[in-house]
Amino acid sequence: LAKTTQPISMDSYEGQEVNITCSHNNIATNDYITWYQQFPSQGPRFIIQGYKTKVTNEVASLFIPADRKSSTLSLPRVSLSDTAVYYCLVGVKDTGRRALTFGSGTRLQVQP
Amino acid sequence: NAGVTQTPKFQVLKTGQSMTLQCAQDMNHEYMSWYRQDPGMGLRLIHYSVGAGITDQGEVPNGYNVSRSTTEDFPLRLLSAAPSQTSVYFCASSYYRGPNTEAFFGQGTRLTVV
Repeated sequence: LAKTTQPISMDSYEGQEVNITCSHNNIATNDYITWYQQFPSQGPRFIIQGYKTKVTNEVASLFIPADRKSSTLSLPRVSLSDTAVYYCLVGVKDTGRRALTFGSGTRLQVQP
Repeated sequence: NAGVTQTPKFQVLKTGQSMTLQCAQDMNHEYMSWYRQDPGMGLRLIHYSVGAGITDQGEVPNGYNVSRSTTEDFPLRLLSAAPSQTSVYFCASSYYRGPNTEAFFGQGTRLTVV
């Protein structure tokens, strides 16, 4: 399966905006891109989903360029509770069928 | 609402033992999948299914078997457990026909092989 890559880690301070990018060169044509947050010892939690351009909800924004080979999760004004690992999830076509594949994950550390 | 239910939550196996991790969903999702997550690592796809009777291998399928006899259930079998299979296992389900890739996750199974 094609790799979906993210930066391994990022550091930020409370109140700053954080942008995390995912590269997904082999994304299935019609699929959405979904982002998840995961805390230790818990399952992934849905943050946001989009297909193209920009999507915004109460916790984040998602930017997707026209070629859809990457996406950027934007977290405005992060707080200590946003310290977690963030994953993108995309559908990837490898041998005919589409498999949902996670990116490698980005560990975000927010400091006071 | 049950969503995705995984059992058991915790399991300790001896090397060479076999067991089945259970996963059931009540959302009529076509797509179901199993991931493993090693300490400090990301989620890697083991096997997936796009409907009853159809299964495919993911990134790390060796040592695991799956079957999908019904839409609701997608069990993961370890035929002969090895210490390298010590991990947290997550089952997920989602729609397959259509662009929506939001996956719903079970609570995870923490497996230790000694």
